[in-house]
Amino acid sequence: NAGVTQTPKFRVLKTGQSMTLLCAQDMNHEYMYWYRQDPGMGLRLIHYSVGEGTTAKGEVPDGYNVSRLKKQNFLLGLESAAPSQTSVYFCASAQGEPQHFGDGTRLSIL
Amino acid sequence: GQQLNQSPQSMFIQEGEDVSMNCTSSSIFNTWLWYKQDPGEGPVLLIALYKAGELTSNGRLTAQFGITRKDSFLNISASIPSDVGIYFCAGPLIQGAQKLVFGQGTRLTINP
Repeated sequence: NAGVTQTPKFRVLKTGQSMTLLCAQDMNHEYMYWYRQDPGMGLRLIHYSVGEGTTAKGEVPDGYNVSRLKKQNFLLGLESAAPSQTSVYFCASAQGEPQHFGDGTRLSIL
Repeated sequence: GQQLNQSPQSMFIQEGEDVSMNCTSSSIFNTWLWYKQDPGEGPVLLIALYKAGELTSNGRLTAQFGITRKDSFLNISASIPSDVGIYFCAGPLIQGAQKLVFGQGTRLTINP
């Protein structure tokens, strides 16, 4: 899916470390989203943005922060990683249509 | 809150068989979306439904928007190996911002 690009694809962290996941979209979409996917639970919304400079909390925002300084980028930060944040993280974007997803970032917290 | 329940959670079928799965909610949805996720990739939209009773096809896939607006169905005919993956239903939350709520997914495995 060339429209939404996530970096990195894989990462292993130690408990307490911080990191930032980057999402970039080239479709000029206004809306961007961060989800986490855990076995048997589908996708759950962490944070989302309705435009450059705006962010809002989703269903499971605790332990995460986001920023949307540029329209094409949406960053997800973990301030102090915890084992419960081990998951696969997906970014998506939309513009008056169903969401388009990136290929995910697999994050393991030891 | 709005939640979607998918059934079954997993399916093990033989190649060539037809597949049926469904998604139900206690709340009314105005749009139903069906996504497929291949291993190691993000979900990809298969079919979007916008009207109660609507029946829409995409190749061997057919999806229906339930009359009550509280359910949707996805059928796959004559399954092939590349149909393997996780199928998700999704619908927009009332609050807007094009936020979606997802079902738990149906994992499809095809036995050789």
